Amino acid sequence: GDSVTQMEGPVTLSEEAFLTINCTYTATGYPSLFWYVQYPGEGLQLLLKATKADDKGSNKGFEATYRKETTSFHLEKGSVQVSDSAVYFCALAEGNFNKFYFGSGTKLNVKP
Amino acid sequence: DTGVSQDPRHKITKRGQNVTFRCDPISEHNRLYWYRQTLGQGPEFLTYFQNEAQLEKSRLLSDRFSAERPKGSFSTLEIQRTEQGDSAMYLCASSGVREASSYEQYFGPGTRLTVT
Repeated sequence: GDSVTQMEGPVTLSEEAFLTINCTYTATGYPSLFWYVQYPGEGLQLLLKATKADDKGSNKGFEATYRKETTSFHLEKGSVQVSDSAVYFCALAEGNFNKFYFGSGTKLNVKP
Repeated sequence: DTGVSQDPRHKITKRGQNVTFRCDPISEHNRLYWYRQTLGQGPEFLTYFQNEAQLEKSRLLSDRFSAERPKGSFSTLEIQRTEQGDSAMYLCASSGVREASSYEQYFGPGTRLTVT
């Protein structure tokens, strides 16, 4: 079945460092891919998405590119801030968005 | 727009008891999802409604679990004969009608269930 694997955390970085959180997926069809973020004390919220191969999703300085050849959707940000400290979840949805699969989450700690 | 709400926020119950949770989605959203999340894990899909029709159910959803969305608005998730392994956060999410936004789920705050 479909699944998502993302790198384990926690990831600890200094402010202004470069961030990469790896995410790979297994899917039988042509899924859409997402990154969700959960800030401390808040619910999950969509960060960015890509619905087809080679699409790049971007938001708040974060980017991820849908790579079909490597079945990956790695999250990157060039310069992290303390306010980016959160748990990040990679997810995929089957074509009709009837079912979503989430990774186990990666906690990011950014130190000043 | 008040967002997705869930009730109760916390529930403590004894093993073997039945519990019911409620989710009120964003009013114009026709898609509604239930997830279960345990500590250190991502949300696990349980079930999906489009309007009042339950279109997807996970194999995780044993026969002790049932969900309804009788009028296509709020939804309930019932767990019968609770077990300690049912202790988790139960999340509800909804998304919109328009195709362009049907992927964007809005999550509620969750109901934390503790089975003693």
